[in-house]
Order: sequence, then C-alpha cells, then structure tokens
Amino acid sequence: DTGVSQDPRHKITKRGQNVTFRCDPISEHNRLYWYRQTLGQGPEFLTYFQNEAQLEKSRLLSDRFSAERPKGSFSTLEIQRTEQGDSAMYLCASGGTANTEAFFGQGTRLTVV
Amino acid sequence: LAKTTQPISMDSYEGQEVNITCSHNNIATNDYITWYQQFPSQGPRFIIQGYKTKVTNEVASLFIPADRKSSTLSLPRVSLSDTAVYYCLDWIYSSASKIIFGSGTRLSIRP
Repeated sequence: DTGVSQDPRHKITKRGQNVTFRCDPISEHNRLYWYRQTLGQGPEFLTYFQNEAQLEKSRLLSDRFSAERPKGSFSTLEIQRTEQGDSAMYLCASGGTANTEAFFGQGTRLTVV
Repeated sequence: LAKTTQPISMDSYEGQEVNITCSHNNIATNDYITWYQQFPSQGPRFIIQGYKTKVTNEVASLFIPADRKSSTLSLPRVSLSDTAVYYCLDWIYSSASKIIFGSGTRLSIRP
C-alpha cells in the first residue's frame, strides 16, 4: 500500500453514462497525476495538478474528460458520455515537493458495456 | 511519445541475475533516470533512481555510463515474484509535471 487511495476499484457502466473517480493522495503531497492504462501498454499521462492548479493536460484528455482538485487535497476525474474506448485502468499518483518520485494508487478499472 | 527505448520482453530463471537495458537518447541535463515496476492490476511502483554512475538499494542496482545515454537495471538473484513489467523513465527533476512512460519490458521468470 503506497498511501494513495482510489475509489472505486472497479466500475462497470453503460455506454453514454457519466462516471466519476476519486483519488486521495498521500497527505501533504502537492503534486497529483492522472493516467490511463490499457492492456499491454504503459500508463498514458492525462493531467497534472500542483496543489489545486491544473498545470498540464494531455491532448488525450478530450472534452468529455474533466479533472478537479478543489482544495489541493483529493482529486476527481469525470468522464461524460462514456464510450467503449474509455474502458481502461485509471491511475492516480502523488508526489511531494522533492520532485524525486511519484507514488501510484492501485487504480480504478473502468469497463464500458 | 516515450523518450526512452527498452526491450519489449525478457525471460530468465529463478536465481539468475537479470539486466534490463534502456536507451535515453533524448535525456536532458537535469533529468534523472528512474525505473518503475508494475505487477498486473496494480499501479507502478518506484524501484530506483540515479543521475550517473551506480546506485544500489535493497531491491536493485542501477548503472549509468558517463554519457547518460543508456542505463541498466540489475536485479540480483530473481525469483518468480519479480515477474512484472519494468519501465525506465527520464525524470524531469526541475518540475516533474509530466512523467512519460513507454511500453516497458515484460520480464518473465521461470522456475
């Protein structure tokens, strides 16, 4: 257990529905990342927060995706109008001010049917 | 696009030393070389990080030549539990705002 919690661990949803995932980083970590990972591929960067500010956003993050970190603590990732291609593992990671490493949660596995 | 290049897969046997190499052809002066390990259905786990020469911890050793264009992760006396995917990264120390993973090396350990 790295100390990064993600909820839920698994989510099955119907195409067209909205889903929201939550990430609780390690306490006092100011950096927070979201990634998406499909089978056989490495994690793909989605977005990065430093405290409450969203400083980096991948082109992979279409208009249907939105992430927030309102008070610089937990973060949410919402996917609107889900598509089958959104089926993947969504990973959250956090890091401290030392900028030397990031700790990953166990991920949320999304299945869109 | 990933900045690093590494073999897609490797096989070895229990008790052997395993060396996984990585090319860092686009590494920047301030980047650190970092390796992560990932088991199925889990998030990646930090293994080791270095800037140059050799770094050793309780899990692995990392060898980095003077030109820093490559690195070698060395796992001593592997066991079945070392079967995982291993990723090498160029870690942007100054900001760490975007950590880019490649496809990794899938290491399979056999009895």
